Amino acid sequence: GAVVSQHPSWVICKSGTSVKIECRSLDFQATTMFWYRQFPKQSLMLMATSNEGSKATYEQGVEKDKFLINHASLTLSTLTVTSAHPEDSSFYICSARDRPGSNQPQHFGDGTRLSIL
Amino acid sequence: AQTVTQSQPEMSVQEAETVTLSCTYDTSESNYYLFWYKQPPSRQMILVIRQEAYKQQNATENRFSVNFQKAAKSFSLKISDSQLGDTAMYFCARQGGSQGNLIFGKGTKLSVKP
Repeated sequence: GAVVSQHPSWVICKSGTSVKIECRSLDFQATTMFWYRQFPKQSLMLMATSNEGSKATYEQGVEKDKFLINHASLTLSTLTVTSAHPEDSSFYICSARDRPGSNQPQHFGDGTRLSIL
Repeated sequence: AQTVTQSQPEMSVQEAETVTLSCTYDTSESNYYLFWYKQPPSRQMILVIRQEAYKQQNATENRFSVNFQKAAKSFSLKISDSQLGDTAMYFCARQGGSQGNLIFGKGTKLSVKP
């Protein structure tokens, strides 16, 4: 149980393109999902907290107009990288909790490798 | 800043041996949770073990156990009988705050040698 599916797993696109990444909870409802970014050989950095039915909460230094987050249902959150540039190339990974409570463990998707040419 | 520190960027261990990965953290919260996650080359994040700060008993999951020292804000991971499949990046994380955000350390790259 507690499976988080992320799609696509790998995307390569030209500079200036907008890219949408989906994060789905397959067997549970998630009121809160998290989006992380991981550069090569570095740790995961929280980008934003996605709440179903409300605006996402972005971490300091993360451009909300650049990284659009939509959490329209209890099983789906999307991250759209708008007008992507080579510096946006990174590994993006989402997570969700399968039970309410801020102290419950997070389950991670398999991540999306984004390469901007 | 409330941080998580992993002081060992890389470690290696012989198969079947025991290895301990260190982690210290900083927090002003009284109740919080600590985690160790494993990230193999596939980059999937896998929960290894979880510790609740208000529990004094150290968590154990099969070959994995922790040494949780709350006063020292230390949370080390011990892997017994290391296996080749344990080769991965290991991240220590603290969860807290109103949304339960995870704050990760920089990770320790563990190599298990045959």
